[in-house]
Amino acid sequence: EAGVAQSPRYKIIEKRQSVAFWCNPISGHATLYWYQQILGQGPKLLIQFQNNGVVDDSQLPKDRFSAERLKGVDSTLKIQPAKLEDSAVYLCASSLGWTNRDTEAFFGQGTRLTVV
Amino acid sequence: KQEVTQIPAALSVPEGENLVLNCSFTDSAIYNLQWFRQDPGKGLTSLLLIQSSQREQTSGRLNASLDKSSGRSTLYIAASQPGDSATYLCAAPSGSARQLTFGSGTQLTVLP
Repeated sequence: EAGVAQSPRYKIIEKRQSVAFWCNPISGHATLYWYQQILGQGPKLLIQFQNNGVVDDSQLPKDRFSAERLKGVDSTLKIQPAKLEDSAVYLCASSLGWTNRDTEAFFGQGTRLTVV
Repeated sequence: KQEVTQIPAALSVPEGENLVLNCSFTDSAIYNLQWFRQDPGKGLTSLLLIQSSQREQTSGRLNASLDKSSGRSTLYIAASQPGDSATYLCAAPSGSARQLTFGSGTQLTVLP
């Protein structure tokens, strides 16, 4: 089966500019996650969708970050305006659903963002 | 709030050694625990998932154990190879939304 697709792979922008990342989860996966991974750290959850509803966005900096999941499939994550500290790898993951056996997460290759 | 800790942060071993990576978590009400591998500049690859009702899971040279009562999991790698060099991360879903919380990882280097 096809894995989680993310684009772009790399992005360099100047501070105060805006940027958007796209994610296509594994077909049939109801849960979609966006993570931020700063160099040398583990991934930090930004937002979690169940179908097209948000179930957790407690760590999303809502003054500059936004995310949506269209029709419960593809998702976009936007940063506007970007700050230097947003330089990180943004990872998208999906899982089948909510039950214990369905929470195995599969990750995309990530988007490496550099803000200069 | 779930907190996941991985020790050691970095490990360097000669080829052929057996090794153990440790993962501890504060909230024992986890649904399962997943171990991942991350190569430099790449995404995460799922290695093993242990359900909360299981104590061990094996895949090839990898064996993961889970002790919910003590809040610990270990990943055992047998007969390590240079190709095993990567960062290994553990993560556990907990809470009503099954939020997946990660440790900071163990960076493993296997020397030829």
